[in-house]
Amino acid sequence: QKEVEQDPGPLSVPEGAIVSLNCTYSNSAFQYFMWYRQYSRKGPELLMYTYSSGNKEDGRFTAQVDKSSKYISLFIRDSQPSDSATYLCAMTSNTGKLIFGQGTTLQVKP
Amino acid sequence: EPEVTQTPSHQVTQMGQEVILRCVPISNHLYFYWYRQILGQKVEFLVSFYNNEISEKSEIFDDQFSVERPDGSNFTLKIRSTKLEDSAMYFCASSLQGAANYGYTFGSGTRLTVV
Repeated sequence: QKEVEQDPGPLSVPEGAIVSLNCTYSNSAFQYFMWYRQYSRKGPELLMYTYSSGNKEDGRFTAQVDKSSKYISLFIRDSQPSDSATYLCAMTSNTGKLIFGQGTTLQVKP
Repeated sequence: EPEVTQTPSHQVTQMGQEVILRCVPISNHLYFYWYRQILGQKVEFLVSFYNNEISEKSEIFDDQFSVERPDGSNFTLKIRSTKLEDSAMYFCASSLQGAANYGYTFGSGTRLTVV
């Protein structure tokens, strides 16, 4: 079983839609969960950071972590064409080493 | 906003040649990292560096790879004898504390093409 699994998509939605992106993981030692956004030919940009289980909201973005199910989600409300990018989940136990998912390519159509 | 700067943005090299990828981390950051992303694949951890020594390295980071912080601002990744399979985007990252606390700031990457 892969350590972190993420559906690569692509995911195409109309502008204004609610987007749900998800990752599952197998390592119960993971405690810190992040979502990065990556535009073509650019480095990953940190969007959201969550420790342990629970929700975190930042503007149109909500991150959820369910450690009992080993499942994390990122919700984007009122999606915009500028949200079109690849979204990477990443996680770590208590070290500096991040384990990334494959990334989901999102396209928001005007 | 502070940035992690990587140079060059694209490097083409012949198989067997040595390459040095350069990074200028954010000035007050203490932890430095290299990751790579082969086209169409996941971002993979290579190495972390703190207090002038390697903290952790992956199985990818074999004897062909080395890192150095030659002065107070630069952080370099050297590949001694490049192979075709080393072709990838290489990302440098830095953080004030370990990634577990705040996540990283990544640079825009160096695209390495080995021919």
